[in-house]
Amino acid sequence: SQQGEEDPQALSIQEGENATMNCSYKTSINNLQWYRQNSGRGLVHLILIRSNEREKHSGRLRVTLDTSKKSSSLLITASRAADTASYFCATGKTGANNLFFGTGTRLTVIP
Amino acid sequence: DVKVTQSSRYLVKRTGEKVFLECVQDMDHENMFWYRQDPGLGLRLIYFSYDVKMKEKGDIPEGYSVSREKKERFSLILESASTNQTSMYLCASSSGDRGNYGYTFGSGTRLTVV
Repeated sequence: SQQGEEDPQALSIQEGENATMNCSYKTSINNLQWYRQNSGRGLVHLILIRSNEREKHSGRLRVTLDTSKKSSSLLITASRAADTASYFCATGKTGANNLFFGTGTRLTVIP
Repeated sequence: DVKVTQSSRYLVKRTGEKVFLECVQDMDHENMFWYRQDPGLGLRLIYFSYDVKMKEKGDIPEGYSVSREKKERFSLILESASTNQTSMYLCASSSGDRGNYGYTFGSGTRLTVV
């Protein structure tokens, strides 16, 4: 399966700390994306990193991609209570019918 | 602000009913998708469409059908609702190459079949 797998399944941290989530996948990809889902809502696209990129930043988000290890990490710096959500990675491939989503990491940021 | 709008946030239907879930996007996207999301199973693709009147089966199409008569609208139909179709349903859209761009999701419809 091309589906990504996030690790850990759940993470609880104090406000102000950094949160790191990991994603592993099995097949070759063209890009990897991270999404956030607040409880009971739809997913929101956060960032896309292409297979020829190693690192990408967007505000307090930092994403790395290691295609040799077939893994990616999402770092949220200086976390806030509003960052409490589930985070999903999704892998994409040119010509593929769709993205493949993992099962997510549930992040809880304690105020 | 660009949007994908799902017509209902919550629905309760009876077993055997025909159920319509509507999704509308205002971004002129070619591609539209229907996923269901269940605890521990992540997002599973039901159907997708890459053009008007075109549809393709995803991973779990059984018990569902879709309709795309206009570019902006993609409907999911449960022909005869069953309790195992109780789930969160998510609609999404994207432009261009389906595997190479981000998706915009609707807010989801939580369907309960009793």
